[in-house]
Amino acid sequence: EPEVTQTPSHQVTQMGQEVILRCVPISNHLYFYWYRQILGQKVEFLVSFYNNEISEKSEIFDDQFSVERPDGSNFTLKIRSTKLEDSAMYFCASTKRAGGTSPLHFGNGTRLTVT
Amino acid sequence: EDKVVQSPLSLVVHEGDTVTLNCSYEVTNFRSLLWYKQEKKAPTFLFMLTSSGIEKKSGRLSSILDKKELFSILNITATQTGDSAVYLCAVDVNNNDMRFGAGTRLTVKP
Repeated sequence: EPEVTQTPSHQVTQMGQEVILRCVPISNHLYFYWYRQILGQKVEFLVSFYNNEISEKSEIFDDQFSVERPDGSNFTLKIRSTKLEDSAMYFCASTKRAGGTSPLHFGNGTRLTVT
Repeated sequence: EDKVVQSPLSLVVHEGDTVTLNCSYEVTNFRSLLWYKQEKKAPTFLFMLTSSGIEKKSGRLSSILDKKELFSILNITATQTGDSAVYLCAVDVNNNDMRFGAGTRLTVKP
């Protein structure tokens, strides 16, 4: 079964550094998402992306965050200047259709540790 | 503020037991309710519910939604150790902008 793949599985970075988290969504999916889960807390929505632009974003997704689909397969999340509180598991997800009509397929996540 | 509340937060049972996990919600815009199973990393999809009263089944798992009372339950019968996981309830409020509950950690002992 096709999978969403994320790299790296674990990233350690120093506060203030930029990080790029990478995702390859399922090939025939058109809608892409980033979620995060701080250790011991709920999974939280960050952003949705369709047709090369952001569809929705949460309050968490401030100016430090950006997303890009640089080619036909990759979907990236960039954090410009990381803070300690950005430490979390970041999940990429994709789906064929929007509007809650098809479920999200999640990748295995990238654990980001900011020191 | 949108809220999704799951109960219990954790549950320990023995193989063969039946469990019922609860999810209640208060959201401004309901599109669907989804259940996911999270073992080590990625949440994996179990059910999507959009209509009240229609039970969805997959093997030993089943789920139903009550849109009047704003809750859903997930039942697992004849539990196995492989069912041990965190079960997440999520409500889609806008095009897969989902509000997740805190999860129920289920431990099934042999």
